[in-house]
Amino acid sequence: GAGVSQTPSNKVTEKGKYVELRCDPISGHTALYWYRQSLGQGPEFLIYFQGTGAADDSGLPNDRFFAVRPEGSVSTLKIQRTERGDSAVYLCASSPLAGGFNTGELFFGEGSRLTVL
Amino acid sequence: QQPVQSPQAVILREGEDAVINCSSSKALYSVHWYRQKHGEAPVFLMILLKGGEQKGHEKISASFNEKKQQSSLYLTASQLSYSGTYFCGTERRQAGTALIFGKGTTLSVSS
Repeated sequence: GAGVSQTPSNKVTEKGKYVELRCDPISGHTALYWYRQSLGQGPEFLIYFQGTGAADDSGLPNDRFFAVRPEGSVSTLKIQRTERGDSAVYLCASSPLAGGFNTGELFFGEGSRLTVL
Repeated sequence: QQPVQSPQAVILREGEDAVINCSSSKALYSVHWYRQKHGEAPVFLMILLKGGEQKGHEKISASFNEKKQQSSLYLTASQLSYSGTYFCGTERRQAGTALIFGKGTTLSVSS
């Protein structure tokens, strides 16, 4: 079956521009996570969805970052007024768990590499 | 709240063993281990839950000391395919939110 799909795989933009990154999770997975990873670092948590709602958005660095998952499947991470410090690989992961008391196995996509010039 | 991993890097020859450690200053509900090869997505290895339950690959072993808030990943008789960066992830609270990952331990296995 298909894994987690992320588009675009690479995005180069200029400082100040608006960017959207898309994540298509594994069919039937209710939990969806966004992380970003800078070179040589571990994945940094951004936001977690359970169904359509954001269960935890405490990792979003500031109000330039926003994410939606309107129908409980595909999610879009939106970054306004991009800055050079936003350059990173943005990873999406999904999990089949529906609530519960621990995070299950995360299935990661290949990531979207964002470069802000 | 980010867990601390040690060592930062390990260099092995095939067949040698390694231990990667993960510790947290917060009470942990679970510890998760992932491996990431260069340019690829992280891949699940194991979950260790409070109370002793484990879920993961049979060839990977790990321990979780709840009192010390520490976990160790044991890589025995290493193979070339074990090379990559290993991340531990810890759950922030019992209700089940997102994993917080450490900075990673890079393992290089040579023949």
